[in-house]
Amino acid sequence: AQKVTQAQTEISVVEKEDVTLDCVYETRDTTYYLFWYKQPPSGELVFLIRRNSFDEQNEISGRYSWNFQKSTSSFNFTITASQVVDSAVYFCALSDEGVAAGNKLTFGGGTRVLVKP
Amino acid sequence: NAGVTQTPKFRVLKTGQSMTLLCAQDMNHEYMYWYRQDPGMGLRLIHYSVGEGTTAKGEVPDGYNVSRLKKQNFLLGLESAAPSQTSVYFCASSYSRRLGQINTGELFFGEGSRLTVL
Repeated sequence: AQKVTQAQTEISVVEKEDVTLDCVYETRDTTYYLFWYKQPPSGELVFLIRRNSFDEQNEISGRYSWNFQKSTSSFNFTITASQVVDSAVYFCALSDEGVAAGNKLTFGGGTRVLVKP
Repeated sequence: NAGVTQTPKFRVLKTGQSMTLLCAQDMNHEYMYWYRQDPGMGLRLIHYSVGEGTTAKGEVPDGYNVSRLKKQNFLLGLESAAPSQTSVYFCASSYSRRLGQINTGELFFGEGSRLTVL
């Protein structure tokens, strides 16, 4: 069965500090997709990134960067120079390409990030 | 562009009452999902549908029923609400891998429906 673990339940930083969110996943399939979603205090879920299991290149998008390491089954997310607007709950999720139908996502428990001014 | 719309946004029920949550999407997506979000547990899949007229159980289906009579709508029903069903419910939709639609695997979520069962 698929499983996504976000060991950090809450992280508190001061503005401009970097923050790294850990995500460890388990799957028996060789083809899968990993995602990060952001849930700001307003409650909606915002898609941040998708990465497939064959692409281990790190990705940077502005102040956001992602480090995918298949060898350790990890897909970590770093926010550089954090800002108050980054305060949110962040979810890591896994989609099993081997499932017969559906893009069903398995979510981690989420990490709440609080950025203090 | 509405995207995924859930109604109602808030509801308070008494134990044993029934209700239906409605999800509507205007993106012509084949796949639709219902998740529930509870503190510390992330989002858990209740039921999903891969097309009109089809539904399937997810991780936590007990106590819920669903219907997908029209492609754009996915209904989640609680026949006899229990306090354990107090949660925030999210509907989502996505493109299909099977029909050649552009598929990034991304789920498009509604804004959520907060349900309290007393």
